[in-house]
Amino acid sequence: AQKITQTQPGMFVQEKEAVTLDCTYDTSDPSYGLFWYKQPSSGEMIFLIYQGSYDQQNATEGRYSLNFQKARKSANLVISASQLGDSAMYFCAMREPGGASYDKVIFGPGTSLSVIP
Amino acid sequence: GAGVSQSPRYKVAKRGQDVALRCDPISGHVSLFWYQQALGQGPEFLTYFQNEAQLDKSGLPSDRFFAERPEGSVSTLKIQRTQQEDSAVYLCASSPPTQGSLREQYFGPGTRLTVT
Repeated sequence: AQKITQTQPGMFVQEKEAVTLDCTYDTSDPSYGLFWYKQPSSGEMIFLIYQGSYDQQNATEGRYSLNFQKARKSANLVISASQLGDSAMYFCAMREPGGASYDKVIFGPGTSLSVIP
Repeated sequence: GAGVSQSPRYKVAKRGQDVALRCDPISGHVSLFWYQQALGQGPEFLTYFQNEAQLDKSGLPSDRFFAERPEGSVSTLKIQRTQQEDSAVYLCASSPPTQGSLREQYFGPGTRLTVT
């Protein structure tokens, strides 16, 4: 079965510094997609970044970048220049492979990030 | 435009009561998903609709849970005879027909259900 592991239940980072949130996944299918979502205390899941398994380059979106190491089945999120508003839960997720017209997304347990002023 | 909306945002039910949770997806989004998020955990898939058709309900935890989307837009998740273990945040998400390989899901704010 597909599985997402996030080994850091909680992380602290100083404002303006970079932080890496770890994510490893397990799948035997060569075609899959990886997502990172942010969930602030308000509860809404906010899409941050996406990496397809066949994408040649690591995904980047503004201050977010995904360090994709396919052989290690690792998809770490890097947040540069942390801001106080980055304090939230962060979830790594994988699109379950084989979906035809829809995607069942499997979420990891999440990492709580706290940005310290 | 407007995002995914859910109502109510908070619901307290006594054990044994029935509840109905509503989701208004983004206009034009054919795909609609329901997730259950227990405290301190990631969301878990419950069910999926493509328009009005429920194509996957493999995540529904028991026959007390059922969902509908009769006209292919608004969806309702109903829980009968609520139990304490049903206490969670219920998230709804929708996605447009095609987005290439991305197929991002847009989430609503969730309904926090507390069963006492």
